[in-house]
Amino acid sequence: DGGITQSPKYLFRKEGQNVTLSCEQNLNHDAMYWYRQDPGQGLRLIYYSQIVNDFQKGDIAEGYSVSREKKESFPLTVTSAQKNPTAFYLCASTSGVRNQPQHFGDGTRLSIL
Amino acid sequence: QKEVEQDPGPLSVPEGAIVSLNCTYSNSAFQYFMWYRQYSRKGPELLMYTYSSGNKEDGRFTAQVDKSSKYISLFIRDSQPSDSATYLCAMKYGSSNTGKLIFGQGTTLQVKP
Repeated sequence: DGGITQSPKYLFRKEGQNVTLSCEQNLNHDAMYWYRQDPGQGLRLIYYSQIVNDFQKGDIAEGYSVSREKKESFPLTVTSAQKNPTAFYLCASTSGVRNQPQHFGDGTRLSIL
Repeated sequence: QKEVEQDPGPLSVPEGAIVSLNCTYSNSAFQYFMWYRQYSRKGPELLMYTYSSGNKEDGRFTAQVDKSSKYISLFIRDSQPSDSATYLCAMKYGSSNTGKLIFGQGTTLQVKP
C-alpha cells in the first residue's frame, strides 16, 4: 500500500545525545515536511523539502537538522542543542501537482530519559 | 494573537448528535482550508479540503468556509462513537504545494454511545 512510514514509533533520548527519526514515502511525492506536535498546540513546522538535495527551515528549526538525499526519504535529526525535545513528531508529504493537500505518517513519540 | 484559533474543547456529545467544530483566523491571505481528524497516537488524516467560500459535503461531513467573516466550520451529522478524535483545522496561503500549513490547536471530540 502507498503511504508514509515513520520509525520508530517510540524513541528515547539521553541527555547530550543526537537521535534520528526516519520518514519514508512511496507515494512519489516531491515535497516532504516535518512537524512537531505538543499537547494543546497545533502542529508547528520544523523543516520542509521541495526537491532532492534542497530543504528550508520552518518556524522552529533550531536544534534540528535534516537531509534529502533521496526523493522517498527525509530523516530528521534531533540534536543535543534541542533542549525540549519531548514531543510527537509528524512527517508529511505532498505531490508536485497544484492544490494537493499534505498527507501524514503516524508519527514518532520522542521522550527524554 | 495566533493566526488560527480553535476551541480546544473537550467536546462531549451523545451518539447521533450534530457536531459543529469551528476555527477563526486573522489573515485574509489564507486561501485553502483543511480539516484533519487525528486519533490518539496516530497521524492526522485528511477529511476535507476546500478553497472557496460556501459548503462542501462528503457523507456525514460538511465543511463551511466564510471568508468575509474569517471563519470555517466542520459539521458532523449523525455522530458516531468512531468519530471520537481530535479535529484539526489547517490553512494555507496561495496554491503552492510547498506553502506551509498553519494549524489550529485541535478540538477533542467524544461521542458517547
